[in-house]
Amino acid sequence: QVQLQESGPGLVKPSETLSLTCTVSGGSITSYYWSWIRQPPGKGLEWIGYMYYSGGSYHNPSLESRVTISVDTSKNQLSLKLSSVTAADTAVYYCARRRTTDYFDYWGQGALVTVSS
Amino acid sequence: QSVLTQPPSVSGAPGQRVTISCSGSSSNLGAGYYVHWYQQLPGTTPKLLIYANSSRPSGVPDRFSGAKSGTSASLAITGLQAEDEADYYCQSYDSSLSSLVFGGGTKLTVL
Repeated sequence: QVQLQESGPGLVKPSETLSLTCTVSGGSITSYYWSWIRQPPGKGLEWIGYMYYSGGSYHNPSLESRVTISVDTSKNQLSLKLSSVTAADTAVYYCARRRTTDYFDYWGQGALVTVSS
Repeated sequence: QSVLTQPPSVSGAPGQRVTISCSGSSSNLGAGYYVHWYQQLPGTTPKLLIYANSSRPSGVPDRFSGAKSGTSASLAITGLQAEDEADYYCQSYDSSLSSLVFGGGTKLTVL
């Protein structure tokens, strides 16, 4: 059974960079695309981007200039960096496994990141 | 404002059938892109409910079904149960935005 677990700071200051890690267990990170999705408190879901271990990555154009997604195959981990954050970036951040027809079948528990000084 | 439009809320009594609509356009559902559905129980992670328009992952009861026609899609839940009370999201790809997109979500209340 594939399991995903997000980790990282729960509080980030405005204008700084948000950094999160997703550890994948129960399967190899080299077999699929892996994605980040976020959900502001009380609001809907927003796709951030996804990446394949060999380098192919795709981002939401609305966030592309601020997003970096990377994969560390030695640790079976996916990472997210979101730069120049504002309060609007406060959200629960999920990592998820993307399947070929663009759906997400396994999700992490989510990590709440608050942007505040 | 999402390019996939869902009603903010729907409700039904136990045992009834409810449907949740997801309305798109020629750049997403109308272009032939698949629609997928997720269930998010209160305080929990989204769970895949329907993929590729109408397929159910293993473990999802057959009370849940999906359909797509033209620029619209729907999720039907029959034999409504109290534990179905949740938020439901549709998701697809939009070629104009070059982005995966989610609907705004629909809150299902079981009366």
